[in-house]
Amino acid sequence: QPVLTQSSSASASLGSSVKLTCTLSSGHSSYIIAWHQQQPGKAPRYLMKLEGSGSYNKGSGVPDRFSGSSSGADRYLTISNLQSEDEADYYCETWDSNTQVFGGGTKLTVL
Amino acid sequence: EVQLVESGGGLVQPGGSLRLSCAASGFTFSSYWMHWVRQAPGKGLVWVSRINSDGSSTSYADSVKGRFTISRDNAKNTLYLQMNSLRAEDTAVYYCARSGVVLDYWGQGTLVTVSS
Repeated sequence: QPVLTQSSSASASLGSSVKLTCTLSSGHSSYIIAWHQQQPGKAPRYLMKLEGSGSYNKGSGVPDRFSGSSSGADRYLTISNLQSEDEADYYCETWDSNTQVFGGGTKLTVL
Repeated sequence: EVQLVESGGGLVQPGGSLRLSCAASGFTFSSYWMHWVRQAPGKGLVWVSRINSDGSSTSYADSVKGRFTISRDNAKNTLYLQMNSLRAEDTAVYYCARSGVVLDYWGQGTLVTVSS
């Protein structure tokens, strides 16, 4: 089954941009993933579905500041014009025939 | 508006049982696969189980296989998770989620605490 690898933490300044990475394991570089945001004390929220081509589809109400891209086995989430409410945990997710798989999550701190 | 509302969590002793429910509204429940995902305190998201749209196929994480049972009632738009032989390590917030291709809607979660 696929394995998703994420950095444990990231930080960026208010108003700047940040690019988070989710890396698919060997043999799974073509997989579609999803990005989810979890603000402190809240349930996860679906942000977008991201294909290996770099094409992405965002969930309802997700701001334009959020975008996705891909390169090989890497899937990226870029957040532009960082706001304080973007401080959250970000998880990538994929699936195979019998399971869903989550990355370990990246804790984003907005400075 | 899609809504998923979990209930049934609480405090249970080790070895005990609990049944979680997830009431769905705002979409055609019978057309979607549904999932349970859990999150232990201070930890990441962990997939628990899933069920296909008509309930004929299920799968489970190894950690819960043989102890948990996922089911659904499409007439009542409700997803269930029967949890038996509970252990301390099952303590977590349990979320139900809908999937099209990926998980695209989440409930607010219900806390299960396994402790004596």
